[in-house]
Amino acid sequence: SAVISQKPSRDICQRGTSLTIQCQVDSQVTMMFWYRQQPGQSLTLIATANQGSEATYESGFVIDKFPISRPNLTFSTLTVSNMSPEDSSIYLCSVGDREGSPLHFGNGTRLTVT
Amino acid sequence: GQQLNQSPQSMFIQEGEDVSMNCTSSSIFNTWLWYKQDPGEGPVLLIALYKAGELTSNGRLTAQFGITRKDSFLNISASIPSDVGIYFCAGHFQGAQKLVFGQGTRLTINP
Repeated sequence: SAVISQKPSRDICQRGTSLTIQCQVDSQVTMMFWYRQQPGQSLTLIATANQGSEATYESGFVIDKFPISRPNLTFSTLTVSNMSPEDSSIYLCSVGDREGSPLHFGNGTRLTVT
Repeated sequence: GQQLNQSPQSMFIQEGEDVSMNCTSSSIFNTWLWYKQDPGEGPVLLIALYKAGELTSNGRLTAQFGITRKDSFLNISASIPSDVGIYFCAGHFQGAQKLVFGQGTRLTINP
């Protein structure tokens, strides 16, 4: 399966600032997704990162708060904008070969907002 | 709505015991997946199921795709300390692209 690298692995940020998380895959992948995992909780899909076009966001997530880029088939970024303590979570990049295929995950970015 | 109900939420067992956990939904699934997440890491795929009734093993792990396509179970036999972690079921609902996750089962093993 693809090797997925996320940067940074963790960060502590001040409220009101923004953080951009990078996801690099070692091979071209069709599907890329961003998930959020709040402390002690399950994974919730934020958006599907579409190559060359705007991301598709799930209910409760908006582009102004979580802008996403996907310039090619191996790279994507997620920005958490105007952060508040409620944004403290693990943010996970995941990839899949095709629609309906299992997803593979990076190790996540552990964000703490103070 | 499209929800997965995973149980139990947590398990405390003795080393060597067998473990069973399951997921149910009111919606039909096209795939069922089981993941394990260790502290500080992302979820790792354990088993993928694609057909109703499918029974698949991966070492001491066995999982089944329910006949109704609305449930799945994961069994772990003869548990060992490295089985500790959080197990998630996940699946693709019929007609949906996105992968949704259950709430997780936290497994603790007493030596």
